[in-house]
Amino acid sequence: AQTVTQSQPEMSVQEAETVTLSCTYDTSESDYYLFWYKQPPSRQMILVIRQEAYKQQNATENRFSVNFQKAAKSFSLKISDSQLGDAAMYFCAYRSYNTDKLIFGTGTRLQVFP
Amino acid sequence: NAGVTQTPKFQVLKTGQSMTLQCAQDMNHNSMYWYRQDPGMGLRLIYYSASEGTTDKGEVPNGYNVSRLNKREFSLRLESAAPSQTSVYFCASSDRVGANVLTFGAGSRLTVL
Repeated sequence: AQTVTQSQPEMSVQEAETVTLSCTYDTSESDYYLFWYKQPPSRQMILVIRQEAYKQQNATENRFSVNFQKAAKSFSLKISDSQLGDAAMYFCAYRSYNTDKLIFGTGTRLQVFP
Repeated sequence: NAGVTQTPKFQVLKTGQSMTLQCAQDMNHNSMYWYRQDPGMGLRLIYYSASEGTTDKGEVPNGYNVSRLNKREFSLRLESAAPSQTSVYFCASSDRVGANVLTFGAGSRLTVL
């Protein structure tokens, strides 16, 4: 069975600085998708970024980018120029290519200080 | 612009009571899901439905039942609530296209005393 591990329960960053959130996963599959979701205090789950495993290029969405290392089964999220609104829980998630099920990590709480 | 709508947003139950969480989506999505979120455990899949008329167990299905009433609606029922079911419940849907990105509801906080 696939598992997703987020080893950092909490992280903090100064406004305008850069922070990297870690995620590792375990799978024997070669085709899959990876995601980062953000959950602000409002509780709403918001997609931040996604990566297809067959793509070697790292995904980027404005200030958010990933470092996808397929061989190492690592999928970290980098947030550049951090803003106060980035403060939230961040969840890494995995989906097999052939199923609908999304498997989540335990989350990392990010604090942003002015 | 509704997306995924869950009701109720908050509920307090006594042990042994039953209740149903309702979920509806207006995006014509095929797949729908129920997750629970507990501190330190992330989101865990309870049940999902790949299409109208089908349901499958997720990681933590015990104590729950689901009904995919039609393409829009997917309800989660607790027949005899237990304190261990105190949690925040999320409904989600997806169109199963490409990366199958999930759209989530706002969550329902359930407390079982």
